[in-house]
Amino acid sequence: AQSVAQPEDQVNVAEGNPLTVKCTYSVSGNPYLFWYVQYPNRGLQFLLKYITGDNLVKGSYGFEAEFNKSQTSFHLKKPSALVSDSALYFCAVRDNAGGTSYGKLTFGQGTILTVHP
Amino acid sequence: GAGVSQSPSNKVTEKGKDVELRCDPISGHTALYWYRQSLGQGLEFLIYFQGNSAPDKSGLPSDRFSAERTGGSVSTLTIQRTQQEDSAVYLCASSYRDRVSYEQYFGPGTRLTVT
Repeated sequence: AQSVAQPEDQVNVAEGNPLTVKCTYSVSGNPYLFWYVQYPNRGLQFLLKYITGDNLVKGSYGFEAEFNKSQTSFHLKKPSALVSDSALYFCAVRDNAGGTSYGKLTFGQGTILTVHP
Repeated sequence: GAGVSQSPSNKVTEKGKDVELRCDPISGHTALYWYRQSLGQGLEFLIYFQGNSAPDKSGLPSDRFSAERTGGSVSTLTIQRTQQEDSAVYLCASSYRDRVSYEQYFGPGTRLTVT
């Protein structure tokens, strides 16, 4: 079975400071990892993904994430936070091991990011 | 281009009634997914469709839930004899193919409230 953990329910950061939202995962095969953002009363928006290759992936709105296989982590980062980055962030994983879990995304519980002016 | 659309955006229903939620995926996307988002359970997978293959229904919480996809495009999620615990936001997503590398694009959701 695949699972995702986001250990922090909330992250608070001052505008202009770097931010990190943590994610760890568990899969039986190779992981395919995704980050999504959700603004109030909106659906989820895709930010970035790791499939293979370079461990540092870059995505929308200046976000990036680092895949670390030994630590089974995929933390979301941004060098300089904006107030407009305040939202709910979800990490998700898909397992390429096949079987009934092949299609679905398994999500973490979400992390509320608040960027203070 | 047009994204995933869902209707209605909000639905209030009485306990015991049936409801239908609709999803229009992005044109050309062959894979379609339903998820449920609630405070206590987070984001849960419900069901997914890929082309003409049998759907993966492994996430449906009970036999009161069913879904169909007509013509490989529009999908309807039906909840029979609704219960208060069915109250949640129901999200639909589509992707270009059912490949693990393809990201899913989500609609705005339908907020279901069962009174």
